[in-house]
Amino acid sequence: EDQVTQSPEALRLQEGESSSLNCSYTVSGLRGLFWYRQDPGKGPEFLFTLYSAGEEKEKERLKATLTKKESFLHITAPKPEDSATYLCAVSVTGTASKLTFGTGTRLQVTL
Amino acid sequence: NAGVMQNPRHLVRRRGQEARLRCSPMKGHSHVYWYRQLPEEGLKFMVYLQKENIIDESGMPKERFSAEFPKEGPSILRIQQVVRGDSAAYFCASSPGAGPHEQYFGPGTRLTVT
Repeated sequence: EDQVTQSPEALRLQEGESSSLNCSYTVSGLRGLFWYRQDPGKGPEFLFTLYSAGEEKEKERLKATLTKKESFLHITAPKPEDSATYLCAVSVTGTASKLTFGTGTRLQVTL
Repeated sequence: NAGVMQNPRHLVRRRGQEARLRCSPMKGHSHVYWYRQLPEEGLKFMVYLQKENIIDESGMPKERFSAEFPKEGPSILRIQQVVRGDSAAYFCASSPGAGPHEQYFGPGTRLTVT
């Protein structure tokens, strides 16, 4: 069975304190790995897609990386507005485009 | 460019009633997905549709749930004879094609069954 595990479940950072979120996956064949941000009461907002090991994507304070077993979302010098739940999802071969999600990391950035 | 639209945003139903959730995909997208998010749980895939076709319904409960995406109009997720356990946030997403494309999500419909 395809599995996506995110850690930590929750993370509290001070403004400017860089850190990384982890997404480990066990799948039969990875087609793509996706990062989303979800604010309370809203739908997930797309951030990045990674397709192969070694790939990196960057956007403002966020950088996503991918290996054969896991992905990291690095947050550099976070600001309070980066507070959200960050979701990782995978698309797996033979599963007709559906996404399998992890349970997310709740990030809180304080002043 | 309007994003994915869902309505209603909030829906309250009594046990035994029917719930109809609507989703209009992003302009130019013909692939629609429905996901359910239970309190304190992750997003779970329910069904994947293209116009007039159900491609993958492996995540749909076998009874009471159905989905359609007609040639004209929005995609509909229908829940018959709702029970308290159906209370959740239901999200629709769309993508421009099949394959490992990113999916763009709507704001969700929050269903409460009383």
